[in-house]
Amino acid sequence: DAKTTQPTSMDCAEGRAANLPCNHSTISGNEYVYWYRQIHSQGPQYIIHGLKNNETNEMASLIITEDRKSSTLILPHATLRDTAVYYCIVRVRNNNDMRFGAGTRLTVKP
Amino acid sequence: NAGVTQTPKFQVLKTGQSMTLQCAQDMNHNSMYWYRQDPGMGLRLIYYSASEGTTDKGEVPNGYNVSRLNKREFSLRLESAAPSQTSVYFCASSEYGRGSYNSPLHFGNGTRLTVT
Repeated sequence: DAKTTQPTSMDCAEGRAANLPCNHSTISGNEYVYWYRQIHSQGPQYIIHGLKNNETNEMASLIITEDRKSSTLILPHATLRDTAVYYCIVRVRNNNDMRFGAGTRLTVKP
Repeated sequence: NAGVTQTPKFQVLKTGQSMTLQCAQDMNHNSMYWYRQDPGMGLRLIYYSASEGTTDKGEVPNGYNVSRLNKREFSLRLESAAPSQTSVYFCASSEYGRGSYNSPLHFGNGTRLTVT
């Protein structure tokens, strides 16, 4: 199973881009990278996912390195409401579960 | 558009009592999941159901049973609650079944369970 490594915490200034890194050096060729976030004690919220190419949606951008061993989630203009725990997950091969690690606690400061 | 609905929102049990946590989704998803989250930690998978009629163990299945009642509903049962099962329980669903890697999970807002 591909595991992920994320920094425990990060700060970002309001209005600036937040760049959250994730290492997944043992990822397999057909495993996707997913990002979720959890605001306070709510249920996790899906943000974005990708396989090889960079992806962008209304919430964020996902940059995956060419060797797929790491990725970066970019929140282009962070707001105070983006303060949350962000989880980077690699979908487990031949299985339909999705396992979360400890995530990165992002604090957006005014 | 309810999404994933969990009941109850809060529950307090005494050690040894039993209860069932209910989860229903209205998105016609094939797969459903139960996670638990302890303070300051990430989510841990208890059980999942890739499709109606199937269930599989996750990381921490001991002390729990599940039932995939139909496509919409997936329940989690604690037969004899223990203080170690004090946690927040999240149910989730996703569109595709076993072997698909391209379907995000949609989560409910959790059931906060305290076992005294």
